[in-house]
Amino acid sequence: GAGVSQTPSNKVTEKGKYVELRCDPISGHTALYWYRQSLGQGPEFLIYFQGTGAADDSGLPNDRFFAVRPEGSVSTLKIQRTERGDSAVYLCASRAAAANTGELFFGEGSRLTVL
Amino acid sequence: SQQGEEDPQALSIQEGENATMNCSYKTSINNLQWYRQNSGRGLVHLILIRSNEREKHSGRLRVTLDTSKKSSSLLITASRAADTASYFCATDSGSARQLTFGSGTQLTVLP
Repeated sequence: GAGVSQTPSNKVTEKGKYVELRCDPISGHTALYWYRQSLGQGPEFLIYFQGTGAADDSGLPNDRFFAVRPEGSVSTLKIQRTERGDSAVYLCASRAAAANTGELFFGEGSRLTVL
Repeated sequence: SQQGEEDPQALSIQEGENATMNCSYKTSINNLQWYRQNSGRGLVHLILIRSNEREKHSGRLRVTLDTSKKSSSLLITASRAADTASYFCATDSGSARQLTFGSGTQLTVLP
């Protein structure tokens, strides 16, 4: 597609539920990143993929968070047993290759609210 | 964790004035980038400056980089109301393959 697409744009869920957030990167971009942004803060790195593999998942806060990118394109961020502290905007970004130290292209984000 | 710290946290100016935002970081970098974020939207890349560059221009934007002080500044000249947004610096250390963002400066340009 023309840009990075994220769905849903908004998700409201109850504490303890399971959530999936989807990211469709720019076509041909091999590097895909997930960030989390709390209100009034900058984006915090969660995980990045080079192709199908998670090259760096050091930013995932705990084992309730998991992400996949099975075919090297679309990625899904999965959050189990959601907690109120998980409420944030989850941003996805892509770039041509991780070795290309150029700009990231961001999606509009998925706003998650855990009640 | 956040590598960069922007200063000021918030800035309010009149249309036509210049806006200057500063960013300090902690580790060595490959490049430093500035992004803009309108309320409720994603981040948009503005400009990238490499570690061996000291100054770069793009339209009304001017970025400086001082690697000895581990700091950068973003200057927006002749500001417009449409420049109202949050501005973030982000460092690319090369080896980490990810960008590390600062906490941002909220710029308000009053018409």
